[in-house]
Amino acid sequence: GENVEQHPSTLSVQEGDSAVIKCTYSDSASNYFPWYKQELGKRPQLIIDIRSNVGEKKDQRIAVTLNKTAKHFSLHITETQPEDSAVYFCAASGIWGKLIFGQGTELSVKP
Amino acid sequence: DAGVTQSPTHLIKTRGQHVTLRCSPISGHKSVSWYQQVLGQGPQFIFQYYEKEERGRGNFPDRFSARQFPNYSSELNVNALLLGDSALYLCASSLVGDTEAFFGQGTRLTVV
Repeated sequence: GENVEQHPSTLSVQEGDSAVIKCTYSDSASNYFPWYKQELGKRPQLIIDIRSNVGEKKDQRIAVTLNKTAKHFSLHITETQPEDSAVYFCAASGIWGKLIFGQGTELSVKP
Repeated sequence: DAGVTQSPTHLIKTRGQHVTLRCSPISGHKSVSWYQQVLGQGPQFIFQYYEKEERGRGNFPDRFSARQFPNYSSELNVNALLLGDSALYLCASSLVGDTEAFFGQGTRLTVV
């Protein structure tokens, strides 16, 4: 069935360092890959997304890369700040927008 | 501009009871999806509706049902509640199915 694997489950970095979160998806029909940030007790918020016809997308300190052949996509956060601390979820979606989420990565940025 | 709104925000129910959760999408959005998020896990897909028709159903029992109204708002119904139904229920709306999905604040359901 459809599945998204996300690693690592927890990630601790020093302020200013980079953080990388990796996901693998199983459904080759997936064509849309969003990343969500969820702070404790709050709703998931979209931070960046990428479509299958694009290999890389960047928005300030955040970038996402996609390798369709390998069914891998990754989130890169540079110059991390304490306010980046949260749980990050990757997801994969097909034509009707059904989002299959990864298990989440708890990112902790230490000052 | 109002975002996705869900009601109620919190709910406590007893095992065996029935619950109805409501969602109002962003104005102009025709697609609404429902997700269940258990503490410490990623959201799990329950249903998707587009133009008032069911377009997808996740791996949930028949106790779960949903519908979308002509104004694109949606209801999620859960019958015969079990303790394991305790979770955060999230609604997301998007313009069409495969575009950016925006989440509501969720309904925290506790079954006792």
